[in-house]
Amino acid sequence: DAGVTQSPTHLIKTRGQHVTLRCSPISGHKSVSWYQQVLGQGPQFIFQYYEKEERGRGNFPDRFSARQFPNYSSELNVNALLLGDSALYLCASSLGRGTYEQYFGPGTRLTVT
Amino acid sequence: EDQVTQSPEALRLQEGESSSLNCSYTVSGLRGLFWYRQDPGKGPEFLFTLYSAGEEKEKERLKATLTKKESFLHITAPKPEDSATYLCAVQADVTGRRALTFGSGTRLQVQP
Repeated sequence: DAGVTQSPTHLIKTRGQHVTLRCSPISGHKSVSWYQQVLGQGPQFIFQYYEKEERGRGNFPDRFSARQFPNYSSELNVNALLLGDSALYLCASSLGRGTYEQYFGPGTRLTVT
Repeated sequence: EDQVTQSPEALRLQEGESSSLNCSYTVSGLRGLFWYRQDPGKGPEFLFTLYSAGEEKEKERLKATLTKKESFLHITAPKPEDSATYLCAVQADVTGRRALTFGSGTRLQVQP
């Protein structure tokens, strides 16, 4: 079975630009969560979506937004990029929004210059 | 606010030298505690879920245990391929807060 897939793998953007990151969950999984991981730290929660609705939001500015599509794939959008947005962005999928293990994708490495 | 503290930050072991990693947590009702392994530049790989104090789970050379305040990941006779960062995360038993709160991880290096 295919695991969680994310695209692109790497991305270099300039301050002020916009970026869209994409995620496809494991087949049968209906919940997708997004995390930001800065070097040397653990992942930090950004959003959780279940059945196409936002079910949780972390402490991130409104420049960050996301959505989930009918096929349960998801995209994360970040506007007006700042240097501090440089990080590994991780997508995790789970069966539901309760106590289910979250399985992570390989991540998208975003560098903002 | 949920908090997870992992220690030590880094650990260097000789092959075959057993040790334990610590994860201390504060959470508003624990729904689950998760252990992940992360290799450099890759996404975390799921290892274990623990739900209640006293629970233990094993996988190859790894054994995870849980008390009301902390969890331990015991590594028995480690091999160089066990070198990675080990992350601990908690999930709160609060509606609308099902996200995982992670610690900063323990970087394990096993030397041959």
